Amino acid sequence: DAGVIQSPRHEVTEMGQEVTLRCKPISGHNSLFWYRQTMMRGLELLIYFNNNVPIDDSGMPEDRFSAKMPNASFSTLKIQPSEPRDSAVYFCASTDWGGTEAFFGQGTRLTVV
Amino acid sequence: GENVEQHPSTLSVQEGDSAVIKCTYSDSASNYFPWYKQELGKGPQLIIDIRSNVGEKKDQRIAVTLNKTAKHFSLHITETQPEDSAVYFCAAGGGFQKLVFGTGTRLLVSP
Repeated sequence: DAGVIQSPRHEVTEMGQEVTLRCKPISGHNSLFWYRQTMMRGLELLIYFNNNVPIDDSGMPEDRFSAKMPNASFSTLKIQPSEPRDSAVYFCASTDWGGTEAFFGQGTRLTVV
Repeated sequence: GENVEQHPSTLSVQEGDSAVIKCTYSDSASNYFPWYKQELGKGPQLIIDIRSNVGEKKDQRIAVTLNKTAKHFSLHITETQPEDSAVYFCAAGGGFQKLVFGTGTRLLVSP
């Protein structure tokens, strides 16, 4: 397996634009997590899904953020409208339900100017 | 909720020396304590973990110790090598779904 695949690797966008980040989890994993990493706040869990169903979205900072998982092999994190303070590295991770080892993707570095 | 503190934020050692990174946690219900290594431009990768029913775990040059009474756990790397240079994160919680991460330690191993 190629591991967790995220796209794009880098995204630069203007304030106010919509941004969509994509993630393909490892085949067979049924839990998927979206994290945000910044220097100030470290790694923060935004939302996680189990069997494509959002279980906990308490980490989503605002209504501008939304996440979907239409099927077991694809998830998106959308920011609309984007703001400069959203600039961060966004990671997707997947694991078996109840599993403790989660595998992270390489992240998407988002810059909002 | 859980709160995890990690020290030091940066650590510089000479190749061959040992490195120790320490974390404290606040929630006595936490029972899972993993350590992740993050190399530049990559996502975090699990390197070792420990559960609350174990006091110490070792894997080659890496070991983790846990003191449940004091609510702290540590990562020990012996015989450090330049390829150990990375950012290391501790975490605590009740499984991956409930992990809270520390703020990270940047380890630099000089040849």
